[in-house]
Amino acid sequence: GAGVSQSPSNKVTEKGKDVELRCDPISGHTALYWYRQSLGQGLEFLIYFQGNSAPDKSGLPSDRFSAERTGGSVSTLTIQRTQQEDSAVYLCASSLGITGNTIYFGEGSWLTVV
Amino acid sequence: SQELEQSPQSLIVQEGKNLTINCTSSKTLYGLYWYKQKYGEGLIFLMMLQKGGEEKSHEKITAKLDEKKQQSSLHITASQPSHAGIYLCGAASGDGNKLVFGAGTILRVKS
Repeated sequence: GAGVSQSPSNKVTEKGKDVELRCDPISGHTALYWYRQSLGQGLEFLIYFQGNSAPDKSGLPSDRFSAERTGGSVSTLTIQRTQQEDSAVYLCASSLGITGNTIYFGEGSWLTVV
Repeated sequence: SQELEQSPQSLIVQEGKNLTINCTSSKTLYGLYWYKQKYGEGLIFLMMLQKGGEEKSHEKITAKLDEKKQQSSLHITASQPSHAGIYLCGAASGDGNKLVFGAGTILRVKS
């Protein structure tokens, strides 16, 4: 596609429910990143993919968070048993490669846990 | 781990005035990215600087990279209300596999 596409754009969920956030990167981009931005906070790295593999999962805050990428394209970030502190904007980004390439961001998925 | 400090945290300028935002790294910079974010939106890529002393311009925005000082500056000339938003600098992490970001600078332009 023309840009990084994320869905849903907004999600309100009850505490304890599972949520899935989807990211469709720019066509041909092999690297895909997930970041989280909480209210008043900076961007927090979660995980990145090179192709379908995730060499760096160091930013995932707990084992309730997981992500996968299939076919070297679409990625899904899953949050199980959501907590109120999970409320944030989840941003996906993609680039041609992992080094020295411009990284383009999507519009983000706003998650509110009530 | 690498840390980026941005200054100022926020600023309000009168339309037509110039302004500068700084980004200082705790480690050597191998690449520096500038993004702009409007409330409720994603990050818009502005510029990427890779070489010491490099300077790039786009419309009224100019960014410079000073590797010796581990610092980059973003300068806006004759600011407009459309320049308002949050400016974020990002740098490649030590392993080069991801970007780490500064906390951002909130810019408001008064008309």
